[in-house]
Parts: sequence; C-alpha cells; structure tokens
Amino acid sequence: NAGVTQTPKFRVLKTGQSMTLLCAQDMNHEYMYWYRQDPGMGLRLIHYSVGEGTTAKGEVPDGYNVSRLKKQNFLLGLESAAPSQTSVYFCASSPGTGGAGELFFGEGSRLTVL
Amino acid sequence: GQSLEQPSEVTAVEGAIVQINCTYQTSGFYGLSWYQQHDGGAPTFLSYNGLDGLEETGRFSSFLSRSDSYGYLLLQELQMKDSASYFCAVSRADYGQNFVFGPGTRLSVLP
Repeated sequence: NAGVTQTPKFRVLKTGQSMTLLCAQDMNHEYMYWYRQDPGMGLRLIHYSVGEGTTAKGEVPDGYNVSRLKKQNFLLGLESAAPSQTSVYFCASSPGTGGAGELFFGEGSRLTVL
Repeated sequence: GQSLEQPSEVTAVEGAIVQINCTYQTSGFYGLSWYQQHDGGAPTFLSYNGLDGLEETGRFSSFLSRSDSYGYLLLQELQMKDSASYFCAVSRADYGQNFVFGPGTRLSVLP
C-alpha cells in the first residue's frame, strides 16, 4: 500500500518555465490537497479538491492551477515559475468529513526556481 | 479571516512532560488536529479533537475547548526522538473540509 505518492521529488526550474507536480493516492480518498512549506514555516494551503472534477482555492492560490480529472490523482501546475515559488510542496489526502481530522501526506516535492 | 497561534519554540529534558498550546480564530470550525514533522520529513498525524475534552493516544494527549478557541498537545515521558516540529491544524466545514495549519512549534528534547 503506497499511500500518497508525489512525483517528482526534486526539480530545478528557471524563471518562466512551467511544470506539473503529480500526486497519486491509492486509498480511495475523496479529498486531496496541495500545500507549500517554506523554511521554518507552517504549511499553507494552495488548492484542494473534495471530489473528482472539483477544485477550490486555498490560502495562496495565485500562480498555481490544479486539476482532478481522476479521483486518485491531483495535479498542481505552475504556468510561469517565479523564484517566490521555491518551496517544498506537499500533497495530502483524506477520506472526507468522516476521516476524524487525519490528513495523509506524501513525502514532498522540493522545487527550486532560479 | 483565520489565524492560529502557537509558541515558536519549546525546550524540555528527556522524561519530562511538555504542553504545546494552540489558539485559533476561524469560521466554520470543525475540529483540531495535531501533526509531527521531523526535519526533512513529511507531517504525520498525531491526534484529533472534534469535541471538547481530552483525547489520549499513548504518550500523547490532546485537548480542545471550543468555547475558548483553544487546544493543546501534551507529550509525556519525552524521548529524544520527540524532537521535531509540531503543528496544530484547524479543519473547516465550509465547502467540504479544508485544513489550515498553525506556524508550528519546534520542540527540542535535551538529554
């Protein structure tokens, strides 16, 4: 049981380049989330999804887009990367409102934008 | 808006008990969770309070008072491996369920 898997785990981009982070979960969870974490700080919610085909904005959505075409996958896109988007990105999933407040996290994707 | 506050750092010795507080302001409050994160790792779930009161899970306990918008995580019999950052997170019921994290408390356990 793999849980939540993120790819890639490391990536270096130049300013203006685009990329997509992929999150896959095999727990049949309804809800999925993308967070970013900057050094010494907490996690900030970028976007989330409460089911296949749905997405919603979190605290810091600007500069990012997401898609949830399949229940098990949640993609995070950067159309034109900026140095301010250098961060560690975590994907998470949860069963939904009956999940007793537990988020299951992936290992993180470390992105550097030069 | 919403906000969560935690102490930035706490230091304790092995075998001691430490309490990490969390106060929050948010709309659509659903519950309070706690997560542990070691350096370079992913957050891992510790505990959840959906109702007022104390929840106990081994050496860890968590408390919630909805009327005071306050909760805490209590770690007993501290071990060196407990040195990590601890985050409280509010789950909100508006449009599904989303989780907002506090800034985190860095716990250092000394021998």
